[in-house]
Amino acid sequence: GDSVTQMEGPVTLSEEAFLTINCTYTATGYPSLFWYVQYPGEGLQLLLKATKADDKGSNKGFEATYRKETTSFHLEKGSVQVSDSAVYFCALRKESGSARQLTFGSGTQLTVLP
Amino acid sequence: KAGVTQTPRYLIKTRGQQVTLSCSPISGHRSVSWYQQTPGQGLQFLFEYFSETQRNKGNFPGRFSGRQFSNSRSEMNVSTLELGDSALYLCASSLDGQVYGYTFGSGTRLTVV
Repeated sequence: GDSVTQMEGPVTLSEEAFLTINCTYTATGYPSLFWYVQYPGEGLQLLLKATKADDKGSNKGFEATYRKETTSFHLEKGSVQVSDSAVYFCALRKESGSARQLTFGSGTQLTVLP
Repeated sequence: KAGVTQTPRYLIKTRGQQVTLSCSPISGHRSVSWYQQTPGQGLQFLFEYFSETQRNKGNFPGRFSGRQFSNSRSEMNVSTLELGDSALYLCASSLDGQVYGYTFGSGTRLTVV
C-alpha cells in the first residue's frame, strides 16, 4: 500500500542554519504531496503542496520539489528561526481511489535554538 | 471566520467505557474527516463524512464509529475503550472532502486509564 517515510528526528539546529527534512514515498501513479506543520497544542497546518512531478511548493521560506524519479519530496529552508520549532509531517494523497484521505509520515520534530 | 472547533480539548476515560468527541466544521464546509494521532502509529485516517453520509473509512475496528448531523457537525464515538485508544483525535473540515481544502481543528486529547 501507499506509505510515506520521513527522516528520524528530533532535529536540533541553531538559528539561521539550513534545514533539510527528507521525505520519500511509495505509491502507484502520481500522488499529490504535502508538508504539514504542527505547533505545540495545535492541529495541523498546510505548509506547502505539489500536485505533479517537478512541481515546487513554497511557503514562508520553505520549499519542496516533487521528484518522481527518486520518489522524494524533501523539505528545505535556507535559514531557520526559533519560531519554526514544530513537528513537520510529509503526506500524500492518492491519485485515484481513496483520494479524499491523506497518508502521513511519522513526523519530524524540529527544535531551533537561539 | 471561525475555525474548526473540537470539544472537549482533553478527556480522561477508563478502560471499557465509551466516549463521544465532537467536531464543528467551518461554516459552509460539508465534509468532516477524522484522524487518530498516536506516538506509535502516527496519523491515521479514521473516516470521512459528507452531507450526513460516511463516504470513506480507514482500517479501524467497529468500535470506532461516527456520524454527521444536518448542520455538518460531526461526532465520533469509541466504545469499549482500550489503553491503545489513547491518542490525539483530529478532525478536518473541507467544502467537499478534497484534502487540498482541509482545515484541521486543534484536536481532542483522549487518555484511557
